[in-house]
Amino acid sequence: DAGVTQSPTHLIKTRGQQVTLRCSPISGHKSVSWYQQVLGQGPQFIFQYYEKEERGRGNFPDRFSARQFPNYSSELNVNALLLGDSALYLCASSIDSNQPQHFGDGTRLSIL
Amino acid sequence: AQSVTQPDIHITVSEGASLELRCNYSYGATPYLFWYVQSPGQGLQLLLKYFSGDTLVQGIKGFEAEFKRSQSSFNLRKPSVHWSDAAEYFCAVSAGGGNKLTFGTGTQLKVEL
Repeated sequence: DAGVTQSPTHLIKTRGQQVTLRCSPISGHKSVSWYQQVLGQGPQFIFQYYEKEERGRGNFPDRFSARQFPNYSSELNVNALLLGDSALYLCASSIDSNQPQHFGDGTRLSIL
Repeated sequence: AQSVTQPDIHITVSEGASLELRCNYSYGATPYLFWYVQSPGQGLQLLLKYFSGDTLVQGIKGFEAEFKRSQSSFNLRKPSVHWSDAAEYFCAVSAGGGNKLTFGTGTQLKVEL
């Protein structure tokens, strides 16, 4: 069975631009979460979506937004990119909010 | 708010030696605790979890962890380390269920042959 898939794997943007990252959860998983992992740090929680509704938001500015589609895939959008947004963005899915998450390999975002 | 501390940034062990990675958490109620492993350039793989019940939990790849409420700890152990265990290990806590995780800063494990 396919795991969590994320696209693209790598992305280079410049300051001020906007970016959209995509995530397809494991088949049957209805909960999708997004995490930001800065080099040398542990992942930080950004958003959780379950059944297309936002169920949690971490301490990130409004430049970060996300949504979940009827097929449970998800997009993370970041506007007005800053150098500090350079990180590995991880998507994780689970059957529901009470089950452990399975992570994708992430999208490496570099801001120049 | 919950938090996780992993006191050891780097650990080096010889292949075949035993391993213990430390994790301390801060949370007011009974936490949900996890250990994940991350190889270079990859996502995180779940090693084991504690939700309730037996405080000694078994995971994949021969790992185990023990929940000690009195010490607010959830240390990861393996009796005999293999070279393929070299990776970064993250402890995480959740207020409920398996989502909205708070991670520690990780411990980088190096295995000497």
